[in-house]
Amino acid sequence: GESVGLHLPTLSVQEGDNSIINCAYSNSASDYFIWYKQESGKGPQFIIDIRSNMDKRQGQRVTVLLNKTVKHLSLQIAATQPGDSAVYFCAETGSNYQLIWGAGTKLIIKP
Amino acid sequence: DSGVTQTPKHLITATGQRVTLRCSPRSGDLSVYWYQQSLDQGLQFLIQYYNGEERAKGNILERFSAQQFPDLHSELNLSSLELGDSALYFCASSVQGANEKLFFGSGTQLSVL
Repeated sequence: GESVGLHLPTLSVQEGDNSIINCAYSNSASDYFIWYKQESGKGPQFIIDIRSNMDKRQGQRVTVLLNKTVKHLSLQIAATQPGDSAVYFCAETGSNYQLIWGAGTKLIIKP
Repeated sequence: DSGVTQTPKHLITATGQRVTLRCSPRSGDLSVYWYQQSLDQGLQFLIQYYNGEERAKGNILERFSAQQFPDLHSELNLSSLELGDSALYFCASSVQGANEKLFFGSGTQLSVL
């Protein structure tokens, strides 16, 4: 069946370093991918999205990379700050255009 | 602020009871989604409405029901509550309801005692 999975449930990064959060997906027909950030006690917040006709998209301090060959999605956060501490979810659109969510990766920032 | 409003923020009730969660989508958004998130878990899709009609159904229990009204606000009804229904319930909205980003509310924390 369709699924989106994350390689690492927890990622610890030194403040100021770059963070890379990875996500694998199984539906080669998916054409839309998205990353969300969820801080403790809050709703998920949109970070960045990418469509399948692109390999890379940049936002403010964030970059999403899409490798369709190996069905891999990654989120790169530059110069990680304490405010980046959160759980990060990737999602892809499934066969019925609904978002299929990954399990989430918890990003911990070390001072 | 996402523009999606959920009420109440917290709800404490007993097993066997029935509750209603309310959601007002962002202005202009036609689609509303309901998600359940248990402690330290991922997001479980429950149901989606588009312009008043049910569009997609996920892992929603028969004890749960939802609807979207003509003014586009939505309600999620949870009945015969069990301890395991304790969770964060999120509402999200989007413009068209497919292949696009969702805007989430701050959630309703339901505690069933």
